[in-house]
Amino acid sequence: DTAVSQTPKYLVTQMGNDKSIKCEQNLGHDTMYWYKQDSKKFLKIMFSYNNKELIINETVPNRFSPKSPDKAHLNLHINSLELGDSAVYFCASSQEATSLGRGETQYFGPGTRLLVL
Amino acid sequence: AQSVTQLGSHVSVSEGALVLLRCNYSSSVPPYLFWYVQYPNQGLQLLLKYTTGATLVKGINGFEAEFKKSETSFHLTKPSAHMSDAAEYFCAVSDKGYSTLTFGKGTMLLVSP
Repeated sequence: DTAVSQTPKYLVTQMGNDKSIKCEQNLGHDTMYWYKQDSKKFLKIMFSYNNKELIINETVPNRFSPKSPDKAHLNLHINSLELGDSAVYFCASSQEATSLGRGETQYFGPGTRLLVL
Repeated sequence: AQSVTQLGSHVSVSEGALVLLRCNYSSSVPPYLFWYVQYPNQGLQLLLKYTTGATLVKGINGFEAEFKKSETSFHLTKPSAHMSDAAEYFCAVSDKGYSTLTFGKGTMLLVSP
């Protein structure tokens, strides 16, 4: 009965490789997000999708490309991985977009720990 | 622009002592405020949030927070710490018209026997 799930939980890979992280939510929410948590635990929004449409795209390298096949899934593909991409990536979802300004709660997945060697 | 400052990257308390985690925000309009908790190797879980109405908000696990507009603060408290409260705590702000949540840098709560 996991609300927001991510796979894989751990990902160890070499520099230059391409990898994907998958996220699924079974809450019936309209909006999904990707966050990056760095080694100092700082959390920063990367992308947000509302009903499969991109609504937030923060300053993120073009090597990162989100894809939303349907509103329950938001995957993150990373090309040409670099050492600095090592971090924990969190997926989250909310009933409606936080940008609507109604104080929506975001529900987080367990995270994917990416280590680039 | 909105921002969050959490004073103290680490707070240590003894079991049974009062927990106080500080959060100050900056927002151009009345904000929505959140506290999330992150246990080791887990995702973030909502403790409580303030949107409108009563400024003292009660959350899960005995935590509460008070929105003080004049002080631009939303400090998190718990009367008596438990060993299981040891975790990282994040304050976050979202205001109307802004795109998403902005998080503070987190405060690690350490609880000793």
